Amino acid sequence: QQQVKQSPQSLIVQKGGIPIINCAYENTAFDYFPWYQQFPGKGPALLIAIRPDVSEKKEGRFTISFNKSAKQFSLHIMDSQPGDSATYFCAATLQGAQKLVFGQGTRLTINP
Amino acid sequence: GAVVSQHPSWVICKSGTSVKIECRSLDFQATTMFWYRQFPKQSLMLMATSNEGSKATYEQGVEKDKFLINHASLTLSTLTVTSAHPEDSSFYICSARGDRGNYEQYFGPGTRLTVT
Repeated sequence: QQQVKQSPQSLIVQKGGIPIINCAYENTAFDYFPWYQQFPGKGPALLIAIRPDVSEKKEGRFTISFNKSAKQFSLHIMDSQPGDSATYFCAATLQGAQKLVFGQGTRLTINP
Repeated sequence: GAVVSQHPSWVICKSGTSVKIECRSLDFQATTMFWYRQFPKQSLMLMATSNEGSKATYEQGVEKDKFLINHASLTLSTLTVTSAHPEDSSFYICSARGDRGNYEQYFGPGTRLTVT
């Protein structure tokens, strides 16, 4: 019930395409859902986050879609660029708790 | 804003020695800091959570006597890997959460530990 399941494990998209990464959770007590981007040898960086009271959030080329009834959320990257090639992690936080529960990660490659 | 640093960025040590890794929040006060471990091509594994001035809370399976965590101030936490062995070789990442009432964690750049 504490898990966040992320898919796909890896994804290859041509430049300009829209990669979509999906996450699903079981625990309805989760109330904060961030996405992190990690480049090799670096720490994760917060990209964008959403709370369950909204269905979509956009920040620049990054969009989170949130489906509360299905307990799923996804990351869309518009007009993807080779520089977006990285590993992306979704996560969730239990209400009132401190720690994040991470998905398994998606290795994204954007081909030029 | 919300910058977290780690030192060193990489370290090589011999089996049996101890290594200390520092994590600092540079422009905010971190009431809570977290230590993660990450193996190649895997997700982050939370090792422990520490609140300033109190003992760290370790995740199940993490040896508290081997991975000593100290959160002595609102801007500094340290992780000491004692009597390191080759299987302790990994990427160690800290994160910090401030006192703004939100859930955001800000991650450090990580420390690559290699035990020979």
